[in-house]
Order: sequence, then structure tokens, then C-alpha cells
Amino acid sequence: SYELTQPPSVSVSPGQTARITCSGDALPKKYAYWYQQKSGQAPVLVIYEDSKRPSGIPERFSGSSSGTMATLTISGAQVEDEADYYCYSTDSSGKGVFGGGTKLTVL
Amino acid sequence: QVQLVESGGGLVKPGGSLRLSCAASGFTFSDYYMSWIRQAPGKGLEWVSYISSSSSYTNYADSVKGRFTISRDNAKNSLYLQINSLRAEDTAVYYCARVLKVVTSYYFDYWGQGILVTVSS
Repeated sequence: SYELTQPPSVSVSPGQTARITCSGDALPKKYAYWYQQKSGQAPVLVIYEDSKRPSGIPERFSGSSSGTMATLTISGAQVEDEADYYCYSTDSSGKGVFGGGTKLTVL
Repeated sequence: QVQLVESGGGLVKPGGSLRLSCAASGFTFSDYYMSWIRQAPGKGLEWVSYISSSSSYTNYADSVKGRFTISRDNAKNSLYLQINSLRAEDTAVYYCARVLKVVTSYYFDYWGQGILVTVSS
């Protein structure tokens, strides 16, 4: 079955740039999406179609995709950005697939 | 504003059944595909199923195919998930989510707050 691979954890100091990667064989043909999930809350969409930012999401969140890797970048990470981040895409049969999630620590 | 409210969760014995519901408001429910996503305690997100706006198309994760059935009632603005032959590994928070379709994929723009299903004897 199709898999998206993320690092389990990323740690940065406040104000630094955090980069979270997501690798998958189908990403050259499929969009990547990114969700932020804070403790005890439902996920929130922060990036769609590789690099687009929904309204209400701070400009410090950006996304890119090249080849088999998509990247979520948080420029000038804030303490409130500490959360789990999940990449998402779909496989060739139309099934949804989430990456394993990356715990971002900002301290 | 878009609201999705899940209900119907709880404690159920292995082998039992449960029907989850999701009440939608704040948008034209019949215009959108809908989906269920789950999250086991302390684990990551797992896509479960989607259903098309007119119920013509459904799709399921391999882990639930044959045991779970997604359905909807557009007149009642409601989404359902019938869960049969429950196993301990089905223990999770179940989220309903609104689906946005693009040419080659789909994604979820609004999520409910989730409902806990616990499978234990």
C-alpha cells in the first residue's frame, strides 16, 4: 500500500525556520496537503495543493513540492506553532493516505 | 459557519456494532463529498472512507472494507458510519470531514471535533 514518510520529530528555537518533509512515490503526480493538530483538537488545514495557504493561516506557513518530496516550512516559528503536523495525499485508487506525523517542538 | 458534529460513539464489546452520525450545518450538504477519518489513542491520522454527494461513489481503507459502511441522508444533512465486527484496533476518535475535490485528488477543509469509540470487553 502507498505510504507517505515523515520524520517523527523536528525541534527549533523560537524565530528559527522549521522544515518538515514528506516523501512519497506518487507526489510528482499528486498534490500534498498539510494539517496541523494541537493537543486534544481536531486537525486544521494549513497548506493545500502543495503550496497554497487557506485564509486565516499565517504567512509564515508555506509549502513546496519537488519530485517525491513535499516540504512544509514555518519561517520564524512561534511557540504556538508547537503541534503535530501531518502530510496527506491520495493514491492511484483514490484512497486517502496520511503520513505518520511529525511532532514540532518550539523551545 | 460550517459545523460538523459527530455523535454515537461509546464503549462496545469486540464483535459488536455501532452507528456513528455527523450532523452538518452552515453549507449546502448535498453539494459536497464527505469523509470519515480516525485516530487511535496516541497515534496518527488514518483515512477511513468517503462518499460522493449523491451517494453514487464510496471508497474505503483496506483495513475497514467489508466491516464499515458509509452513508448519508441529504434531506437530513447527515453523514453516517455503520461499524460492524468491531475489533480492539478500531478504538479511536472518529472525525467526519467535508471533502474538497480537485482534478487528481481530494482533501478535507473542515473537520468535526471527533467522537471516541472504545472497543473493549
